[in-house]
Amino acid sequence: AQRVTQPEKLLSVFKGAPVELKCNYSYSGSPELFWYVQYSRQRLQLLLRHISRESIKGFTADLNKGETSFHLKKPFAQEEDSAMYYCALSRGNAGNMLTFGGGTRLMVKP
Amino acid sequence: ETGVTQSPTHLIKTRGQQVTLRCSSQSGHNTVSWYQQALGQGPQFIFQYYREEENGRGNFPPRFSGLQFPNYSSELNVNALELDDSALYLCASSLMETQYFGPGTRLLVL
Repeated sequence: AQRVTQPEKLLSVFKGAPVELKCNYSYSGSPELFWYVQYSRQRLQLLLRHISRESIKGFTADLNKGETSFHLKKPFAQEEDSAMYYCALSRGNAGNMLTFGGGTRLMVKP
Repeated sequence: ETGVTQSPTHLIKTRGQQVTLRCSSQSGHNTVSWYQQALGQGPQFIFQYYREEENGRGNFPPRFSGLQFPNYSSELNVNALELDDSALYLCASSLMETQYFGPGTRLLVL
């Protein structure tokens, strides 16, 4: 069975500080991993996926199969990054049927 | 904005009743997934429909059922409601490898 763990419920940093949101997973197959974000009063939306190896809004995430991790990083946090972040694993073949972690609330203080 | 809508926004039911939640996907999105999000937790995958057939299911009992219609709308039906069914119910439609989430229906079971 697949599982996604986000060990921190809340992460509070000052503006300009580096941010790392942790995500660990367990999955017997080849994982497809995603980060979703939910800003205040907005719906859940895709931030990035590991396959794309892209940087979105300054965030990057590297899949580490040895450590079964997919941590989300940003070198300099901005106040507008404050949101709820969810790590998710897909057991489908098209980025769907997602298993989500419990989420981490990121608060960026001025 | 992707145009995934859900109705109603809020709903109150009593234990043992039945409920139907509705989702309208964007035209061309032939896959729809439903998720349950309890307070303070990440979304949990209920099931997925592709071209009007269920093609994936999470760890939910048979009293959770669904339908998908040719006009890209879908329903989630829950029979014999229990107190633990109180949650935010999200639908997500898929195009290619991206899931687009609706705003959710908040269900309270008393």
